[in-house]
Amino acid sequence: NAGVMQNPRHLVRRRGQEARLRCSPMKGHSHVYWYRQLPEEGLKFMVYLQKENIIDESGMPKERFSAEFPKEGPSILRIQQVVRGDSAAYFCASSLLSLDRGNGYTFGSGTRLTVV
Amino acid sequence: RKEVEQDPGPFNVPEGATVAFNCTYSNSASQSFFWYRQDCRKEPKLLMSVYSSGNEDGRFTAQLNRASQYISLLIRDSKLSDSATYLCVVILAGGTSYGKLTFGQGTILTVHP
Repeated sequence: NAGVMQNPRHLVRRRGQEARLRCSPMKGHSHVYWYRQLPEEGLKFMVYLQKENIIDESGMPKERFSAEFPKEGPSILRIQQVVRGDSAAYFCASSLLSLDRGNGYTFGSGTRLTVV
Repeated sequence: RKEVEQDPGPFNVPEGATVAFNCTYSNSASQSFFWYRQDCRKEPKLLMSVYSSGNEDGRFTAQLNRASQYISLLIRDSKLSDSATYLCVVILAGGTSYGKLTFGQGTILTVHP
């Protein structure tokens, strides 16, 4: 009964490279949320996805960032041409229901991206 | 104005002390309220939900005042293991905002011997 699995736990990229962060939701959960936590700041919503659909991407930067949640496989957060300001912890959460009241969320352990 | 505001602290208290955290939110349409706990460099974990009637879980008591758009968390008899960052979280009602957690910046608590 694994929880939300994120990998890699730590990712180092040089400026200009691409970063791919993966999130496998809890078994049976079809709703995935990505959050970003910059150093010394709170978590900020990025995107909400259901299988094969992006529902709300209002928190995603307009350029270089994209997310998907295919029918099969994990959700992927992709950052192209990374810059130092992308260095942060990226957390994924999943829930069973779309109308979840928040107490049914499970967060993954996060991916810590460092851009050098 | 930030959607959810907290005093960042840090709060440094001795073991056994009582400590209270406050949080305000700007959107009166906010529907669900929570306190999460985040240990250093780890994922946030739900501490408790917050209801208008107030709720208690052991040493922890949470209160919601909808009229003032204010949420509080009280920790009694603090333990060393309570040292963490406490995150105030709200969910707006309706539409695609449903399910989207809006976090405060967190309040840092350090309990010392």
